[in-house]
Amino acid sequence: QKEVEQNSGPLSVPEGAIASLNCTYSDRVSQSFFWYRQYSGKSPELIMSIYSNGDKEDGRFTAQLNKASQYVSLLIRDSQPSDSATYLCAVNRQGGSEKLVFGKGTKLTVNP
Amino acid sequence: SAVISQKPSRDICQRGTSLTIQCQVDSQVTMMFWYRQQPGQSLTLIATANQGSEATYESGFVIDKFPISRPNLTFSTLTVSNMSPEDSSIYLCSVETQGDQPQHFGDGTRLSIL
Repeated sequence: QKEVEQNSGPLSVPEGAIASLNCTYSDRVSQSFFWYRQYSGKSPELIMSIYSNGDKEDGRFTAQLNKASQYVSLLIRDSQPSDSATYLCAVNRQGGSEKLVFGKGTKLTVNP
Repeated sequence: SAVISQKPSRDICQRGTSLTIQCQVDSQVTMMFWYRQQPGQSLTLIATANQGSEATYESGFVIDKFPISRPNLTFSTLTVSNMSPEDSSIYLCSVETQGDQPQHFGDGTRLSIL
């Protein structure tokens, strides 16, 4: 089983819709969870971090974490064409300054 | 957040040569990391750059191929040695400004080997 799994997509949604991106992880001791956005030809950009069970909202973005199910998701409300990118889920396997393990990413396309 | 400058932004190199990539941060950071992103793939950690000591390499990566330096808290280099076409990738520096803080990435170095 891969450490961090994401649906590779592509995921296509119409402008204004909710985009739902999912990620599962295998290591139960994981403590920190991140979503990065990567535009084509660019480096990853942090958009959300979440550390405890439940929801965390930041503008149009909501991260959801369920440690019992080893599941983390990202919801993008009112999707815009500018949200079209690859979204990478990353998991920090231990608390503190430990390495990130990345999923393969989900490519999102928002159609005008 | 910290400003991370990575140089060069891209290069085309000949097989068998070596290239050193620099990562400069505008403030002191606790941790610096080097990742590789092969075409169409996600990020894979090469090593953690340790200030004043040898880097900590991940499985599959060795110091002879990817020597790393970190002389201080704001600067690190990654050398890709004896390059082959399989080394064509984007190489990314990331930093953690404090413990338990998310990592932020530099703009990356696009490397092509002919």
